[in-house]
Amino acid sequence: AQSVAQPEDQVNVAEGNPLTVKCTYSVSGNPYLFWYVQYPNRGLQFLLKYITGDNLVKGSYGFEAEFNKSQTSFHLKKPSALVSDSALYFCAVRDIHNTDKLIFGTGTRLQVFP
Amino acid sequence: GAVVSQHPSWVICKSGTSVKIECRSLDFQATTMFWYRQFPKQSLMLMATSNEGSKATYEQGVEKDKFLINHASLTLSTLTVTSAHPEDSSFYICSAYPGLADFNTGELFFGEGSRLTVL
Repeated sequence: AQSVAQPEDQVNVAEGNPLTVKCTYSVSGNPYLFWYVQYPNRGLQFLLKYITGDNLVKGSYGFEAEFNKSQTSFHLKKPSALVSDSALYFCAVRDIHNTDKLIFGTGTRLQVFP
Repeated sequence: GAVVSQHPSWVICKSGTSVKIECRSLDFQATTMFWYRQFPKQSLMLMATSNEGSKATYEQGVEKDKFLINHASLTLSTLTVTSAHPEDSSFYICSAYPGLADFNTGELFFGEGSRLTVL
């Protein structure tokens, strides 16, 4: 079965510092991986995806993620965090063997302190 | 980008009543929509896959008679919570792939969500 894991419930980082939000995956076949962000009482906004190609994927709002096949990871990164980046971040994998639904990780709350 | 609209954003109802939530694709046609449920401080759990013109596919453990899904057109799917009870209080979010190419390799677009509170 396809799954993703986000080992950290919360990540705290000072504004201006680099941030990393971790995600590991378990899939059969080639992974289709995604990162979404959720602000309070809002739906999810797409940040970036990895389907194929370069392992380093650049996305919205200065975020990027590195696909690492040997470590089965897809960590989200940003070189310099902003207070406005504080939100809930979800890693997801697309279950291409079952209706193409997205399967989400448990989410990581990012708190950026001024 | 593609827009998915949900209505209402907030709804409060009495226990035992039914509530309908609408999900519309505003600038594209969606043969498939996905309904998710999110409890406070938790992840999104897929409830069902809504298929235009046919029955929805429910995930294991989701009561199909409690959560009625209708996908009558290519731009509208509805979720009706029947005989709602306080434990049905949750944040419901719909989503869709905006096109065939996106269905193959793209991302899901999500509505803004509907918060249901059952008193």
